Amino acid sequence: KNQVEQSPQSLIILEGKNCTLQCNYTVSPFSNLRWYKQDTGRGPVSLTIMTFSENTKSNGRYTATLDADTKQSSLHITASQLSDSASYICVVIYAGGTSYGKLTFGQGTILTVHP
Amino acid sequence: DAGITQSPRYKITETGRQVTLMCHQTWSHSYMFWYRQDLGHGLRLIYYSAAADITDKGEVPDGYVVSRSKTENFPLTLESATRSQTSVYFCASSEGPQFFGPGTRLTVL
Repeated sequence: KNQVEQSPQSLIILEGKNCTLQCNYTVSPFSNLRWYKQDTGRGPVSLTIMTFSENTKSNGRYTATLDADTKQSSLHITASQLSDSASYICVVIYAGGTSYGKLTFGQGTILTVHP
Repeated sequence: DAGITQSPRYKITETGRQVTLMCHQTWSHSYMFWYRQDLGHGLRLIYYSAAADITDKGEVPDGYVVSRSKTENFPLTLESATRSQTSVYFCASSEGPQFFGPGTRLTVL
């Protein structure tokens, strides 16, 4: 079964610190991997999209990495801000057979940034 | 305003009632999706639509009905609501990356 596992489930850091969120997946083959940010009470918003051939993608203070060999991705947040407090969701898009394009969502990592 | 909207944002209903959640997008995206989000689960796909009059089941379609007579609208109907359908429902549209609506929090008593 195609799965996406994220760790940690939750994380608390101080404002200004860096952090890294992990995503391990078994979805294979896949076309791309996405990281979304979901603020409380809102829908997810796309942060980065990486194809299977890309190793890294940045969006401001957010940098996503992808190792397709080990089926791991990480999202690194630099110089965290209070507004970074949110749930971060890893999504892998399946690229095989009749389910081509199917999205598999991780459960998310809840990040809390304290002043 | 351009974007994707959902209504209502909050809904409380009783077991057995029919409920319709509305989704509207202004981008003319071909694809639209309905997800539910529950604690302990990632977003789970209920139904999706590739174009007007084309819909297909997702991962958890039981108890739900969709229609798409117009490209911009994709309503989700719970024909006879059950407590297990208490959840937050997200609509999304896509021509590539998905754009999500703000969600509808549904409580079934």
